[in-house]
Amino acid sequence: DAKTTQPNSMESNEEEPVHLPCNHSTISGTDYIHWYRQLPSQGPEYVIHGLTSNVNNRMASLAIAEDRKSSTLILHRATLRDAAVYYCILNTNAGKSTFGDGTTLTVKP
Amino acid sequence: EAGVAQSPRYKIIEKRQSVAFWCNPISGHATLYWYQQILGQGPKLLIQFQNNGVVDDSQLPKDRFSAERLKGVDSTLKIQPAKLEDSAVYLCASSLGIFGYEQYFGPGTRLTVT
Repeated sequence: DAKTTQPNSMESNEEEPVHLPCNHSTISGTDYIHWYRQLPSQGPEYVIHGLTSNVNNRMASLAIAEDRKSSTLILHRATLRDAAVYYCILNTNAGKSTFGDGTTLTVKP
Repeated sequence: EAGVAQSPRYKIIEKRQSVAFWCNPISGHATLYWYQQILGQGPKLLIQFQNNGVVDDSQLPKDRFSAERLKGVDSTLKIQPAKLEDSAVYLCASSLGIFGYEQYFGPGTRLTVT
């Protein structure tokens, strides 16, 4: 299975930017990079995805390295409601998307 | 638009009993997923359907778990007989297709096996 590596936990201060890293050194040329987040007692929520170019949406930005072996999810101004587990996964052309244990983001007021 | 619906939200059963979960995906979504999420871990894919055909069930414990998606819309996941280690949240998700599309998750069913 296509594998990603993320730090177990990160902390941020409220209203500051947060950069959540993800390594995917075994990514193949057609794999999409997806990010989801899971708030306590809820199902995962889609955040953003991309293939090669950086992507922006209302929730976040996704910066993809030129060699595609790593990516960074950027929350421009963290709020307390952004405290969640963030998952970086690869979506392969066989339809596989394997979740790891993600990064637990703590936001301090 | 309506999201992914799941029922029940909570279920408590004794070991060796059977249980069934129901999922109604977002209208028009061809792909449906069932995940098992044990406390403190990421979701683990159990089975993936494309319309009413199975794409991947490699991690489904087929001796006790079964799933079906009749008519390519609603789906049910059954456990018979349940074991203590089946205690988890069972998540259903759907997407427009299997590649390049985001998944939309339901709220999950929390199963406790005693």
